[in-house]
Amino acid sequence: DAKTTQPTSMDCAEGRAANLPCNHSTISGNEYVYWYRQIHSQGPQYIIHGLKNNETNEMASLIITEDRKSSTLILPHATLRDTAVYYCIVRAHYGGSQGNLIFGKGTKLSVKP
Amino acid sequence: EAQVTQNPRYLITVTGKKLTVTCSQNMNHEYMSWYRQDPGLGLRQIYYSMNVEVTDKGDVPEGYKVSRKEKRNFPLILESPSPNQTSLYFCASSSSGTVFPFSYEQYFGPGTRLTVT
Repeated sequence: DAKTTQPTSMDCAEGRAANLPCNHSTISGNEYVYWYRQIHSQGPQYIIHGLKNNETNEMASLIITEDRKSSTLILPHATLRDTAVYYCIVRAHYGGSQGNLIFGKGTKLSVKP
Repeated sequence: EAQVTQNPRYLITVTGKKLTVTCSQNMNHEYMSWYRQDPGLGLRQIYYSMNVEVTDKGDVPEGYKVSRKEKRNFPLILESPSPNQTSLYFCASSSSGTVFPFSYEQYFGPGTRLTVT
């Protein structure tokens, strides 16, 4: 599975967009980019995933570069409740998978009033 | 409300006293999994289940047992807990199981903080 690199921490002002980058330069053609977050010691929460097209849902948008070597998770109007550790995970979809998510160190996003 | 529930949420026990952490999901998901989270080590998968009566070891299965007799329940059993099993445990479920392609959109429970003295 491709390795991901994320900044250790980021700050964002409440109400502004939070843009969280992820580098996955060794991603292969069948690997998807997933984003999860974990709010202090709570269960990780699925946010969004994509293969190559940009994706949007009620929580966030995912922008994947054309070469797929990096992506950005966008929280359009960050609130204090979005303060969490955000994980970018790259995994391929295939049958017989163990299904384990491999969480790296992630980016600690602090949303400030 | 779609959810994964775990019980108990907090447990302090002594070495060697058998315990069970329950996990239940109401989404009719095929796939269920247990993770443990430790500082500096991230989340590590203990066991997983692709469907009823189908379970397999994850990355750190030693000292744990699981069963999947019903689709909604996936209990984690510690037959003889030891202090190195002190951890934060999460159960997760997903609609992907034996259906191809497998997706990593998983739903996690709130966690069980276990302390073994």
